[in-house]
Amino acid sequence: EPEVTQTPSHQVTQMGQEVILRCVPISNHLYFYWYRQILGQKVEFLVSFYNNEISEKSEIFDDQFSVERPDGSNFTLKIRSTKLEDSAMYFCASIGALVNEQFFGPGTRLTVL
Amino acid sequence: GEDVEQSLFLSVREGDSSVINCTYTDSSSTYLYWYKQEPGAGLQLLTYIFSNMDMKQDQRLTVLLNKKDKHLSLRIADTQTGDSAIYFCAENEGNTGFQKLVFGTGTRLLVSP
Repeated sequence: EPEVTQTPSHQVTQMGQEVILRCVPISNHLYFYWYRQILGQKVEFLVSFYNNEISEKSEIFDDQFSVERPDGSNFTLKIRSTKLEDSAMYFCASIGALVNEQFFGPGTRLTVL
Repeated sequence: GEDVEQSLFLSVREGDSSVINCTYTDSSSTYLYWYKQEPGAGLQLLTYIFSNMDMKQDQRLTVLLNKKDKHLSLRIADTQTGDSAIYFCAENEGNTGFQKLVFGTGTRLLVSP
């Protein structure tokens, strides 16, 4: 069964460093999302992406964040200068033709020291 | 803004039924979802209900929707120890299927033998 994959599963970085979180959405899906979950808190929407551009972003998604679909398969989230409060689980999700089914990847745990 | 609330914890014995409750605020949501998160894993789409339905059954899972009270529930029949996980209720914001999801806090279900 097709699934969303994410790498790495765990990333540890120093405050101020740049990180890139990678996702491979389900093939032929068209809508892509990033969410995050700070430990013990709700899963929060960060950004949605369609047709090679951001369709919506939350207040969390400030200038330190960017997304890219560099080729036909990868979808990346870049954090330019990480802060301690960026420590969280980051989930990628995608939607295909059945627009009511949003499938999530296993997540990347980001730890900022 | 939109808000989704759930009770934090539910403990049941194996073989009993579990009922996980959720309230939401966005009356324009088209779909309401239940996701399951096992330890260290991503968000698994369990089931969803279209907002013009009041019940959906899928094997051991029954979803009830009370649109007037903005209340959603997930009943798991014959609960097994493998059902132990965190269950998230989510609504899609807006009247199309591909918009962002707003999640509840998650209910931790513990099933004891």
